[in-house]
Amino acid sequence: AQRVTQPEKLLSVFKGAPVELKCNYSYSGSPELFWYVQYSRQRLQLLLRHISRESIKGFTADLNKGETSFHLKKPFAQEEDSAMYYCAPQGGSEKLVFGKGTKLTVNP
Amino acid sequence: DADVTQTPRNRITKTGKRIMLECSQTKGHDRMYWYRQDPGLGLRLIYYSFDVKDINKGEISDGYSVSRQAQAKFSLSLESAIPNQTALYFCATSDLGYAQETQYFGPGTRLLVL
Repeated sequence: AQRVTQPEKLLSVFKGAPVELKCNYSYSGSPELFWYVQYSRQRLQLLLRHISRESIKGFTADLNKGETSFHLKKPFAQEEDSAMYYCAPQGGSEKLVFGKGTKLTVNP
Repeated sequence: DADVTQTPRNRITKTGKRIMLECSQTKGHDRMYWYRQDPGLGLRLIYYSFDVKDINKGEISDGYSVSRQAQAKFSLSLESAIPNQTALYFCATSDLGYAQETQYFGPGTRLLVL
């Protein structure tokens, strides 16, 4: 069964500190992986996708197939990064499966 | 993204009442979804539809029903609302591209069941 785990419901860091939001997945085959973000009072939106190998707003995500992880990282957190983050794998033509989310708070 | 709209944006209702939440999209996507968001529980899928003739239950469909009236419209109904259906409801659309799917979310409907 498809499963995605974000072990931290809440994560708090200080401005300028590195941040890592963890995501582990259990999937048959090789899913594509995404991170979605929801800023306060805004709708969810795509942050980045693994297939694009991109860096968005300073965030990157590394796929580790051996550990089946797709952790989201940023070397220097900013206050505007405070948001809810969702990891979402997708296998083939199936629907996305969202993790339960991690609420990131970046303190001044 | 104004391409996905939800009405109403806020709704207060009483236990036992029937209510409908509506979602419209102008993106031309085939796939549409309804989620609810609760603090600590994240985003949970209620129902989804891959095209007009396709309706599928998600992980928490009990107490809900949906109607896909057209490619652009996907409605969620609570036949007899109960307080634990108080939540933030999101509609989303997607158009599956090769090996990837970006979902586009509506602004959400905040529902309070008294």
